[in-house]
Amino acid sequence: AQSVTQLGSHVSVSEGALVLLRCNYSSSVPPYLFWYVQYPNQGLQLLLKYTSAATLVKGINGFEAEFKKSETSFHLTKPSAHMSDAAEYFCAVTLYGQNFVFGPGTRLSVLP
Amino acid sequence: EAQVTQNPRYLITVTGKKLTVTCSQNMNHEYMSWYRQDPGLGLRQIYYSMNVEVTDKGDVPEGYKVSRKEKRNFPLILESPSPNQTSLYFCASSLRPKSEKLFFGSGTQLSVL
Repeated sequence: AQSVTQLGSHVSVSEGALVLLRCNYSSSVPPYLFWYVQYPNQGLQLLLKYTSAATLVKGINGFEAEFKKSETSFHLTKPSAHMSDAAEYFCAVTLYGQNFVFGPGTRLSVLP
Repeated sequence: EAQVTQNPRYLITVTGKKLTVTCSQNMNHEYMSWYRQDPGLGLRQIYYSMNVEVTDKGDVPEGYKVSRKEKRNFPLILESPSPNQTSLYFCASSLRPKSEKLFFGSGTQLSVL
């Protein structure tokens, strides 16, 4: 069975600082991995996805993530946080594009 | 505009009164799915459908039903709602769910009293 853990339910960074949101997965075979962002009172939007091509994936709004098979990780980073990045972030995994498992989410606060 | 439309946006009901949350997409997607979002638990998949008349259980299907009679619609049915089904519900669709993004609806906040 697949599972996803996200270390830190709430992360605070200063504007301009590095953003690092952690995601680890458990899967019997290499999965497909996604990061989604949710702004207040909205649905989820895709930030980026790993689909077995390049291990370093670039997404929208300056975010990127690196797939590390040996560490079963897919951490999300952004070099410089912006106030507009404040939101909740979800890591998700699927093996065959049928059953999706989401992590519990990390709420990112950006301090001025 | 490509979108997934859920209705209603907010719903308050009482225990045992059957309800249906509708979901419709205009992108001709074969894959559709339902999730519930609860604080600290993220999104959990209730049911998914790979195509018309093809549905399967996700991780938390108990107390829910779905149907997929036509490609664009995927309603979620609660035959006898209970307070533990109070949650925020999302419908999503995708053309190729393995490699393409899920398009999410705006959500339905359900309260069961």
